[in-house]
Amino acid sequence: DQQVKQNSPSLSVQEGRISILNCDYTNSMFDYFLWYKKYPAEGPTFLISISSIKDKNEDGRFTVFLNKSAKHLSLHIVPSQPGDSAVYFCAALRSGAQKLVFGQGTRLTINP
Amino acid sequence: KAGVTQTPRYLIKTRGQQVTLSCSPISGHRSVSWYQQTPGQGLQFLFEYFSETQRNKGNFPGRFSGRQFSNSRSEMNVSTLELGDSALYLCASSYDKLAGGKDTQYFGPGTRLTVL
Repeated sequence: DQQVKQNSPSLSVQEGRISILNCDYTNSMFDYFLWYKKYPAEGPTFLISISSIKDKNEDGRFTVFLNKSAKHLSLHIVPSQPGDSAVYFCAALRSGAQKLVFGQGTRLTINP
Repeated sequence: KAGVTQTPRYLIKTRGQQVTLSCSPISGHRSVSWYQQTPGQGLQFLFEYFSETQRNKGNFPGRFSGRQFSNSRSEMNVSTLELGDSALYLCASSYDKLAGGKDTQYFGPGTRLTVL
């Protein structure tokens, strides 16, 4: 039972344009969501997060949007840069459960 | 501040053997979690240790076990290895509970286990 889903295994975007990565979840008990970025041969690196009481959180070029009614979140990167090429994982957390539930990841490629 | 370290980085074993992986958390972090990453399943939670006690457990068979020492270092053991255990095993540390953004997990580079 995949509680967190990233339906796009890969995404290719031109440098300077907006990258939009999507994530859906099924468990309404999740109350915190995170995005991680992973380069090959490295562990995931925390990028940005959002609490379920908010619908938007912004940090520089990165913005996460949460639509609770649709159980959907998205990560916007603008403008996209070549260094953004990596695998992006969304993760969900239920307070008290102390474990992150990850999606399968989306490989983002930024083309020059 | 040094990050999370994992040893060894790469490991090759044969079916039926057992393996022990090691994780040293960030200094001061008391929670250590283990995840398995495979191409088809993404990152899946194995277990979490806090103050030498297993606090949370994922849905993995009993062949997967772990422990935590008084200095917060953690080991993960897999017995009777199967081909399907080939994966990247990631360790993550945090100070305490993941309390809605007040703390987050910091990941190590992982141990790539190949079972032949």
